[in-house]
Amino acid sequence: GNSVTQMEGPVTLSEEAFLTINCTYTATGYPSLFWYVQYPGEGLQLLLKATKADDKGSNKGFEATYRKETTSFHLEKGSVQVSDSAVYFCALSPYAGQGGKLIFGQGTELSVKP
Amino acid sequence: DVKVTQSSRYLVKRTGEKVFLECVQDMDHENMFWYRQDPGLGLRLIYFSYDVKMKEKGDIPEGYSVSREKKERFSLILESASTNQTSMYLCASRRTGETQYFGPGTRLLVL
Repeated sequence: GNSVTQMEGPVTLSEEAFLTINCTYTATGYPSLFWYVQYPGEGLQLLLKATKADDKGSNKGFEATYRKETTSFHLEKGSVQVSDSAVYFCALSPYAGQGGKLIFGQGTELSVKP
Repeated sequence: DVKVTQSSRYLVKRTGEKVFLECVQDMDHENMFWYRQDPGLGLRLIYFSYDVKMKEKGDIPEGYSVSREKKERFSLILESASTNQTSMYLCASRRTGETQYFGPGTRLLVL
């Protein structure tokens, strides 16, 4: 079946540190991959996405590359800020058609200290 | 901008009560979803709908039902609330082939 596994949190970093949050997936076919972010007290927002192998999604300094050979979609940022403190969810969509439900990882909480 | 709104941010109910959670989207999206979010488990799909009056079970439909009488509105119903349904409930919508947009969530406490 389809599943997503993320590294466990919480992850605590100092401001300007390098961030990596690991995400691996299991899926049949060619899923689309997503990173969503949830700031405290809010719903989820799409951070970035990639729809095919070797695609790189990027937004707000965050990047992730769709690696089919390692079934991974790791999230990276070169220099984190206090305002990046949030919960990050990796997700896949097995198909883009009707419905198009998302399958989520368990989420990784990031805390950035000044 | 896409807007997905949920009727309540916080809700407290008693065991056995019937609970309605409402979700409205303003972008004419065909597809709507209800998830619950629990620590360490991420988001799990309860039900989704790809058209008016259509519904499909997600991964954890037990104890829930849904209603989609109008395209913009998707309701989640807890027929008889139980304490293990205490959770954060998130609604989402999407146009076919595009990204899902989420509402702010309803934090439900069942006593």
